[in-house]
Amino acid sequence: QQQVKQSPQSLIVQKGGISIINCAYENTAFDYFPWYQQFPGKGPALLIAIRPDVSEKKEGRFTISFNKSAKQFSLHIMDSQPGDSATYFCAAHLGGSYIPTFGRGTSLIVHP
Amino acid sequence: NAGVTQTPKFQVLKTGQSMTLQCAQDMNHEYMSWYRQDPGMGLRLIHYSVGAGITDQGEVPNGYNVSRSTTEDFPLRLLSAAPSQTSVYFCASTVGNEQFFGPGTRLTVL
Repeated sequence: QQQVKQSPQSLIVQKGGISIINCAYENTAFDYFPWYQQFPGKGPALLIAIRPDVSEKKEGRFTISFNKSAKQFSLHIMDSQPGDSATYFCAAHLGGSYIPTFGRGTSLIVHP
Repeated sequence: NAGVTQTPKFQVLKTGQSMTLQCAQDMNHEYMSWYRQDPGMGLRLIHYSVGAGITDQGEVPNGYNVSRSTTEDFPLRLLSAAPSQTSVYFCASTVGNEQFFGPGTRLTVL
């Protein structure tokens, strides 16, 4: 049973467009929600993260929107660039646990 | 700092062979983990360690062994390789809630 459900599995966006990746969770004990970015042939790397006491966090063109009541969070990439083409993983941590539960990933392709 | 290093980068094995995937980190992190990545399956936890001498099983531990004799090293052993173990393997070390991943080992079992 997937504890963190991520969609879509793949996404194609034109340069300059907005990329949106969604994640949903069931366990209300999750208290930290990171997103990881993975380029081909590389390991994932932390991109941005949020705690449930805020509804939005923005870092440059990347924004996490968090809806605690719906148990959903999403990654928005504004003005998407070909260099953003990568696989994105959402994740969730239980309070006090350093091991995240990962979503299955979204392969993003941004066409020039 | 080199961060998290993994060797080898690529490996081809025959069914039944054994091997060790090496992982080392120079950040003095207590927590380390091994994942496998398969298409459409995301990152699945194999084993993890909370410090030297302490290891535990993750989601998919069968067919794999680990040990943690030092803070720096966390090798993953395949006891008798099977085609189902064809995958990309990532080692990670953790501080706080951030995981630092190595570059991965692509393993093919024929």
